[in-house]
Amino acid sequence: DTEVTQTPKHLVMGMTNKKSLKCEQHMGHRAMYWYKQKAKKPPELMFVYSYEKLSINESVPSRFSPECPNSSLLNLHLHALQPEDSALYLCASSQGGGSSYEQYFGPGTRLTVT
Amino acid sequence: AQSVAQPEDQVNVAEGNPLTVKCTYSVSGNPYLFWYVQYPNRGLQFLLKYITGDNLVKGSYGFEAEFNKSQTSFHLKKPSALVSDSALYFCAVREGAGNNRKLIWGLGTSLAVNP
Repeated sequence: DTEVTQTPKHLVMGMTNKKSLKCEQHMGHRAMYWYKQKAKKPPELMFVYSYEKLSINESVPSRFSPECPNSSLLNLHLHALQPEDSALYLCASSQGGGSSYEQYFGPGTRLTVT
Repeated sequence: AQSVAQPEDQVNVAEGNPLTVKCTYSVSGNPYLFWYVQYPNRGLQFLLKYITGDNLVKGSYGFEAEFNKSQTSFHLKKPSALVSDSALYFCAVREGAGNNRKLIWGLGTSLAVNP
């Protein structure tokens, strides 16, 4: 099973709301990623967790807060977002953090901030 | 720093014809190269990768890619295009060390296969 699941599929939130995005994989992968993608652009890396520890934070604003409760789950907590944060948020996982491992992506959460 | 370039924003090909989506890279050391595809309103799907070994890499859905060290290229190919291959294609190279390895992405090439 090479599936990464993400919920919800769509999310509309106001600038004062708090919401969370969820990601799950059952492939036994030990690295998990959050990306932000604007239309027809490459994904932009936000965070990397390796063995449940945050290993990369690409200088993401604090209104985005990642959490890795266990090796299968990854959350992204959202608070006080701006309209420019509207995008497709993609979760991915890989067997490890090494160079040779491909990443498997979920279908994404389409976020609209109003 | 590592980088990849996809020189074509858009590629158009007739169904049944061979297709090529171009990628060139710049790395220090051995390149770890990947191709991903994104269908409309979907997440990205891994197609294939080059780590070491045979320069011709075969991947999903009949795609293959040729690693050319002298030309620093990793072009994606398919002998006979299908309309369903129409999608956005990204080339990527892995950079970093230890647990801080991340993908550096090309800007993407939109492939349109015309019936």
